[in-house]
Amino acid sequence: NAGVTQTPKFRVLKTGQSMTLLCAQDMNHEYMYWYRQDPGMGLRLIHYSVGEGTTAKGEVPDGYNVSRLKKQNFLLGLESAAPSQTSVYFCATWPRTASRYQETQYFGPGTRLLVL
Amino acid sequence: GNSVTQMEGPVTLSEEAFLTINCTYTATGYPSLFWYVQYPGEGLQLLLKATKADDKGSNKGFEATYRKETTSFHLEKGSVQVSDSAVYFCALSEKGSTLGRLYFGRGTQLTVWP
Repeated sequence: NAGVTQTPKFRVLKTGQSMTLLCAQDMNHEYMYWYRQDPGMGLRLIHYSVGEGTTAKGEVPDGYNVSRLKKQNFLLGLESAAPSQTSVYFCATWPRTASRYQETQYFGPGTRLLVL
Repeated sequence: GNSVTQMEGPVTLSEEAFLTINCTYTATGYPSLFWYVQYPGEGLQLLLKATKADDKGSNKGFEATYRKETTSFHLEKGSVQVSDSAVYFCALSEKGSTLGRLYFGRGTQLTVWP
């Protein structure tokens, strides 16, 4: 099992460019999340999905869009990148089970994005 | 609302020193509490967790006790090693939530010198 994987690992963009970050999971988890991590800020939730075809806004959604066309994939898009979006992006998953409150989220290795 | 407050870092210790990283929380419900660790260049890994008051989570020599009366979940280790150098995050999730959302503290950078 690969768990949670993220593509790419690192990317440099110029202001105004667009890109898509891919998160893939092989654990059949229902819930998926995108976080950003900034120094001294911890992790902040951007968007999340509770199942295939559904997405919702988190704490800091502006400037991002997401899609969950397949259960195993959760895409994060930046339509017009800004320097303020320089960050490390983490994807996470969470199982939808009867004992889910005993479970924690499973994190991918992260994507480091630099916007010049 | 829900929030987590961690002690400011960075924390620098010598090998075999005692470690405490303070964590307090505010929650609207009755949360589960977690400590995550992030090693350089890697994602977050669950270190330990506690799901009810007075529970003690433990792993790799680290411990934390869920204290409802003081709304705290301090991380401790009796003798740190160089390999413990990492960023540590305290987090909570609401048991009553159907979203599984995690609320993170800011993280505490730990550096252990030989």
